[in-house]
Amino acid sequence: QVILHQWGAGLLKPSETLSLTCGVFGGSSRGYYFNWIRQSPGKGLEWIGKISPIGDTNYNPSLKSRVTISRGPSDNPFAQFSVRLELTSVTAADMAVYYCARSDGHPPFDSWGPGTRVTVSS
Amino acid sequence: DIVMTQSPLSLPVTPGEPASISCRSSQSLLQSNGYNYLDWYLQKPGQSPQLLISLGSNRASGVPDRFSGSGSGSDFTLKISRVVAEDVGLYYCMQALQTPYTFGQGTDLQIK
Repeated sequence: QVILHQWGAGLLKPSETLSLTCGVFGGSSRGYYFNWIRQSPGKGLEWIGKISPIGDTNYNPSLKSRVTISRGPSDNPFAQFSVRLELTSVTAADMAVYYCARSDGHPPFDSWGPGTRVTVSS
Repeated sequence: DIVMTQSPLSLPVTPGEPASISCRSSQSLLQSNGYNYLDWYLQKPGQSPQLLISLGSNRASGVPDRFSGSGSGSDFTLKISRVVAEDVGLYYCMQALQTPYTFGQGTDLQIK
């Protein structure tokens, strides 16, 4: 059974770059897509983008100019691999809980990470 | 983008009673392969969302059979045959037809 752990800085200043990592533990997930989704009180659940098993990406056009999703070996020796989210030039509008989630190509998202709360404040 | 609209947004239910949530999409989610690309998720308090229903009506592994999904095209319904206390939370529909995938606003189910 796959378990997704998340880590990364939760407090940023405006204009900084958000950087989050999703570690994939257990199961066999190399053939799966991984998605990033965020949740804020104002905008609800918003799909950010996804990455394929071979590294092809697809981003929400509303964030495309600022988002990069990548995948590769993890610093954690127990993880199969990690999926990384970077979002540049953050503002207060980017404050949200960020989730990674697994899918088999198309949704559904069958496994979700625990979420990382990101605050943007000067 | 496909717009997803849920109703009601708040749903107080007496334990043992049925509950129903509606989800409508701004365009048809029915593909030529016969599948409706509509998923349902439940977010229990303090937790991440979890998959309930995929492709309009397929219950995910481990989901109790009191949950059922129906509908086709642009009009979908999630039904709970008899609500129990553990069903409390936010219910979301999501279209999986095309990117960007989009979610409904959420329906807050509470126990009376």
